[in-house]
Amino acid sequence: DAKTTQPNSMESNEEEPVHLPCNHSTISGTDYIHWYRQLPSQGPEYVIHGLTSNVNNRMASLAIAEDRKSSTLILHRATLRDAAVYYCILRDVGYGGSQGNLIFGKGTKLSVKP
Amino acid sequence: DTEVTQTPKHLVMGMTNKKSLKCEQHMGHRAMYWYKQKAKKPPELMFVYSYEKLSINESVPSRFSPECPNSSLLNLHLHALQPEDSALYLCASSREAPGQGGGYGYTFGSGTRLTVV
Repeated sequence: DAKTTQPNSMESNEEEPVHLPCNHSTISGTDYIHWYRQLPSQGPEYVIHGLTSNVNNRMASLAIAEDRKSSTLILHRATLRDAAVYYCILRDVGYGGSQGNLIFGKGTKLSVKP
Repeated sequence: DTEVTQTPKHLVMGMTNKKSLKCEQHMGHRAMYWYKQKAKKPPELMFVYSYEKLSINESVPSRFSPECPNSSLLNLHLHALQPEDSALYLCASSREAPGQGGGYGYTFGSGTRLTVV
């Protein structure tokens, strides 16, 4: 599975935007970029995913670089409930084979200050 | 129903006990997964079931035995565990199996916190 690199931790102020970076220089053409977050004492939660174009949903936005070697998860207004570990994961969804499992890296621990 | 339900939420067992963890989803997802998560570490993939068949066993010791009785249920049978097996065990499901395309997200349960004494 391709690897991602994320900062170990980031801090944000409440009600301000947060930009969480992820580098994935060895991304392949069939890798989707997935983001999950894990709040304390809970299972991971799907946030967003994309392939080439920027994506928006009710939780966040995903900005993907033109060469796809990096991406940024954007939380538009951080709240205290957004404090979590955020995982950027490449998932190969090519047909056939046994690839495509969701393999977690270390993630970024986001702290939100009131 | 858009949830993955895991029971029990907490489990304490002795090293000679036999216990089972249960996982259930009613979203019609075709793949189900077991992950293990130690404190302050990311989840690690243990098993993958695709269309009710075991497709991946990530070199997990035989004291962990998965079972998929039907498309909605996934069990993890535990026997002769060691204290180092204490962890959060997470179940997840996805609409399509790995290698089937699609790029859909996984849905995770809230986990079973297992303590082996």
